[in-house]
Amino acid sequence: GQQVMQIPQYQHVQEGEDFTTYCNSSTTLSNIQWYKQRPGGHPVFLIQLVKSGEVKKQKRLTFQFGEAKKNSSLHITATQTTDVGTYFCAGPKLYGNKLVFGAGTILRVKS
Amino acid sequence: IAGITQAPTSQILAAGRRMTLRCTQDMRHNAMYWYRQDLGLGLRLIHYSNTAGTTGKGEVPDGYSVSRANTDDFPLTLASAVPSQTSVYFCASSDSDRAGEAFFGQGTRLTVV
Repeated sequence: GQQVMQIPQYQHVQEGEDFTTYCNSSTTLSNIQWYKQRPGGHPVFLIQLVKSGEVKKQKRLTFQFGEAKKNSSLHITATQTTDVGTYFCAGPKLYGNKLVFGAGTILRVKS
Repeated sequence: IAGITQAPTSQILAAGRRMTLRCTQDMRHNAMYWYRQDLGLGLRLIHYSNTAGTTGKGEVPDGYSVSRANTDDFPLTLASAVPSQTSVYFCASSDSDRAGEAFFGQGTRLTVV
């Protein structure tokens, strides 16, 4: 079945350092979505990428979708304490509708 | 307020008991999902529904059942709870036949003892 792998599982950074999480799917995805879950909260949608090779930015966050539509990355520039949480990627496989999530990357930021 | 409502917020349940987790959305979304979240395992899909009247199995469906009698409601039933079903359960919905942006409920924390 479809698998979505995400690395690293956990990262602890100093405030101001950059952070990147990577997502890889075993199958081609029709789109890739990223979510953020604050501690004790529920996942909240950040962005969706649809096109092969697409890059989107939201302030300090940069999202990329691979050319083969099987991998993606989220990069945060100059992390802040407000970035703390778990970041998930998710995607339905091509021609499918099941939204499958990666295991998530837990980000902790030291001030 | 538009969104997804889950009930109960938390529950302690004796093993062997039957339990239904409720999920209601007022956004008229076609697709709905149930996930369980366990430390280190992320969000795992239990069951999903593309539209009212249809359901499908996710990654970890055993021990759970769902129904989708109408667009708004998507209850998840544990027929005979076991301790390994202790988890946080999230219901979600999306407004696309191709799995667009998903909106999540606040979650139900279930402890089976």
